[in-house]
Amino acid sequence: NAGVTQTPKFQVLKTGQSMTLQCAQDMNHNSMYWYRQDPGMGLRLIYYSASEGTTDKGEVPNGYNVSRLNKREFSLRLESAAPSQTSVYFCASSGRGNQPQHFGDGTRLSIL
Amino acid sequence: EDKVVQSPLSLVVHEGDTVTLNCSYEVTNFRSLLWYKQEKKAPTFLFMLTSSGIEKKSGRLSSILDKKELFSILNITATQTGDSAVYLCAVPSNTGNQFYFGTGTSLTVIP
Repeated sequence: NAGVTQTPKFQVLKTGQSMTLQCAQDMNHNSMYWYRQDPGMGLRLIYYSASEGTTDKGEVPNGYNVSRLNKREFSLRLESAAPSQTSVYFCASSGRGNQPQHFGDGTRLSIL
Repeated sequence: EDKVVQSPLSLVVHEGDTVTLNCSYEVTNFRSLLWYKQEKKAPTFLFMLTSSGIEKKSGRLSSILDKKELFSILNITATQTGDSAVYLCAVPSNTGNQFYFGTGTSLTVIP
């Protein structure tokens, strides 16, 4: 059971470069989420997708875009990376209602 | 504004001690409260609480919800070094489309 799979696990970028973080889930969940986690800040929601074809902004969406490619996949794109986006990024998915979220192992992103 | 606040921010105890972690919340149309444990990587689900006064228990971990006073506690008895982790509390939003997380409590258990 793969659950939620994120790629890559680690990435180093230079300021201004772009990249896409990939996330896929195999649990047939409707909802998917992207969070960033910084020391002392907890998990902050960047974007979420309540169902295939819909996306909505979370608490900290600036500098990011997302695509819900299909029910399984939800990608996060940094168009022009900034040092302030250095963080650990987690993708999560959940079933209908307030069911618990399942998290991927995270992507550690450093921007120089 | 909806929010979740956890305390303490960090805790250091010795093996065998009992600890109590706190989570208070303010959210419109409360549905549930969830506890997660985060070690090196992904948070993993521990408990979901929906009703006041009903204890959820799993081994040495237990949790209870007070919907009147708007808080939950997570108890860990006879702590072990493997309990060292960040414990996160989360509450779904009014629409249920997203979750609000607390900043977490970092627990360190020393042998």
